[in-house]
Amino acid sequence: GDSVTQTEGLVTLTEGLPVMLNCTYQTIYSNPFLFWYVHYLNESPRLLLKSSTDNKRTEHQGFHATLHKSSSSFHLQKSSAQLSDSALYYCALSYQGGRALIFGTGTTVSVSP
Amino acid sequence: EAAVTQSPRNKVTVTGGNVTLSCRQTNSHNYMYWYRQDTGHGLRLIHYSYGAGNLQIGDVPDGYKATRTTQEDFFLLLELASPSQTSLYFCASSGTPSQNTLYFGAGTRLSVL
Repeated sequence: GDSVTQTEGLVTLTEGLPVMLNCTYQTIYSNPFLFWYVHYLNESPRLLLKSSTDNKRTEHQGFHATLHKSSSSFHLQKSSAQLSDSALYYCALSYQGGRALIFGTGTTVSVSP
Repeated sequence: EAAVTQSPRNKVTVTGGNVTLSCRQTNSHNYMYWYRQDTGHGLRLIHYSYGAGNLQIGDVPDGYKATRTTQEDFFLLLELASPSQTSLYFCASSGTPSQNTLYFGAGTRLSVL
């Protein structure tokens, strides 16, 4: 069945360093939609960015991700982490006609000074 | 900005107790969802609905019932609560599952003692 894999449960890093969160997916559908949602403590999860276009970089709030259908990946990156980036990040998958988003298990990012 | 309101925000009950979690969205969205969030498991879909009177089973439905009384209101019922249902519950809404943004409520933290 369809699935999303996030290999890191916890990423800890120092402010100013780059961050990359891994996301790979499995689906039989050739035109998937991939999403990154972010959940800050004591807030509601919200959309960070999304894409359905192969090999096109998508950016928002300093983060970027590129959907690579050849490797079924949608990794999230940022060149310089900030303290305010500390949050729980979810990668998610859907497809046309799909019933609901399929979420990965999430990656907690902790940025320290 | 889409609005999804959950109540109560916190709930404590005992094993075997009866709990109803409420969710209202004012965005005229067709789709509404109930998720539970647990460390190591991420967001898991309990039930969802694509309109008043409609109910669809999610990935972890055991021990939960749901009812969609109007387009705006979606309820999650735990009729015999168990400690394994201690979790953070999120309601969400969207226009369509595949492409539209998912809007989440603030969450309900449930403890079953």
